[in-house]
Amino acid sequence: DAKTTQPPSMDCAEGRAANLPCNHSTISGNEYVYWYRQIHSQGPQYIIHGLKNNETNEMASLIITEDRKSSTLILPHATLRDTAVYYCIVRVGGYSTLTFGKGTMLLVSP
Amino acid sequence: NAGVTQTPKFQVLKTGQSMTLQCAQDMNHNSMYWYRQDPGMGLRLIYYSASEGTTDKGEVPNGYNVSRLNKREFSLRLESAAPSQTSVYFCASSEVGYGTDTQYFGPGTRLTVL
Repeated sequence: DAKTTQPPSMDCAEGRAANLPCNHSTISGNEYVYWYRQIHSQGPQYIIHGLKNNETNEMASLIITEDRKSSTLILPHATLRDTAVYYCIVRVGGYSTLTFGKGTMLLVSP
Repeated sequence: NAGVTQTPKFQVLKTGQSMTLQCAQDMNHNSMYWYRQDPGMGLRLIYYSASEGTTDKGEVPNGYNVSRLNKREFSLRLESAAPSQTSVYFCASSEVGYGTDTQYFGPGTRLTVL
């Protein structure tokens, strides 16, 4: 699986959009970009994934650059409950295991 | 649906003791996983079971054994606990399809080995 690079921490004001970047310059054509988050002391939670098109669901939007070397997870209206560690993971579609890095600690403040 | 459940939630062991961590899922998933998370670290895969009747080693399998009891249940056993195994253990399950393999995680078991 391709390696990813994320900033160790980010801050966001409550109600504003949180934009979390991820670099994956060695991504292969058959690898997907997955995002998970982990709220303190809880198990990781799936957020969204995509191959090359932008994706949106009830939780977030995923923007993948045309060359697929980077992506951005967008939480459109961050709340205090979105404070968590966010993991960007690149992996082959279908069966493969998840490899977690250290992620980005997002702190949402009032 | 309860999703993925784990028991116990907390456990304290003495060095050399044994114990089994239990995991069950009610989503009819074929694949199940065990991870450990040490303070300030990401998750590391211990063992996984791609389907009922199969198990494979992950990144950090030493000191652990697993049993895929049936499609719902996947247990993790520590035969002789060591302080280095103090960690939070997460179980997960997934259903594999083309282009997708979303893993769903349990709440974790917090294990301390003295």
